[in-house]
Amino acid sequence: KAGVTQTPRYLIKTRGQQVTLSCSPISGHRSVSWYQQTPGQGLQFLFEYFSETQRNKGNFPGRFSGRQFSNSRSEMNVSTLELGDSALYLCASSWTSNTEAFFGQGTRLTVV
Amino acid sequence: QKEVEQDPGPLSVPEGAIVSLNCTYSNSAFQYFMWYRQYSRKGPELLMYTYSSGNKEDGRFTAQVDKSSKYISLFIRDSQPSDSATYLCAMSSNTNAGKSTFGDGTTLTVKP
Repeated sequence: KAGVTQTPRYLIKTRGQQVTLSCSPISGHRSVSWYQQTPGQGLQFLFEYFSETQRNKGNFPGRFSGRQFSNSRSEMNVSTLELGDSALYLCASSWTSNTEAFFGQGTRLTVV
Repeated sequence: QKEVEQDPGPLSVPEGAIVSLNCTYSNSAFQYFMWYRQYSRKGPELLMYTYSSGNKEDGRFTAQVDKSSKYISLFIRDSQPSDSATYLCAMSSNTNAGKSTFGDGTTLTVKP
């Protein structure tokens, strides 16, 4: 059974640019959550999608957005990148909320 | 004050030792408790998932949850060098769809 796949694995972007990250969940999983991981703040919840609907959102500015497609694949977008957006972005998939959640390997974003 | 506090470590033990990792929390709505293991530059790997209070054992790993004390633990028996990683506790509730709140992690080194 394939795990959670995140692409790309690494990204380098310039301040002010935008970026789109992709997450393919485990087959059959309908919930996808996104997290930002930094050394100073740890793992911080960004948002969660279930059946193409955003059900929950963390405390991040509106520059962070996401969507989910009918096949449960999800994307997150960060516009007007700032240096502080440099982080490991992780997605986790689960069958539904509060069932076991499995993480992908993450996308490491560096903003220069 | 953070909702989830994790013993910061780092922790260094000899091979074969019993390791105890601990977290406390303040939100009484948390009902689902997880432990993840994260190797450097990888995504978190789910080790244990428990609901409400009690113990759960899986091989060398035992998770304990004491909701009355708002305290959870992970015990690793017969620790191996391959257990060297950062361990993250995480918790979620029915009232916050798809969101897990994480501790900051404890870095464990098992010396041969």
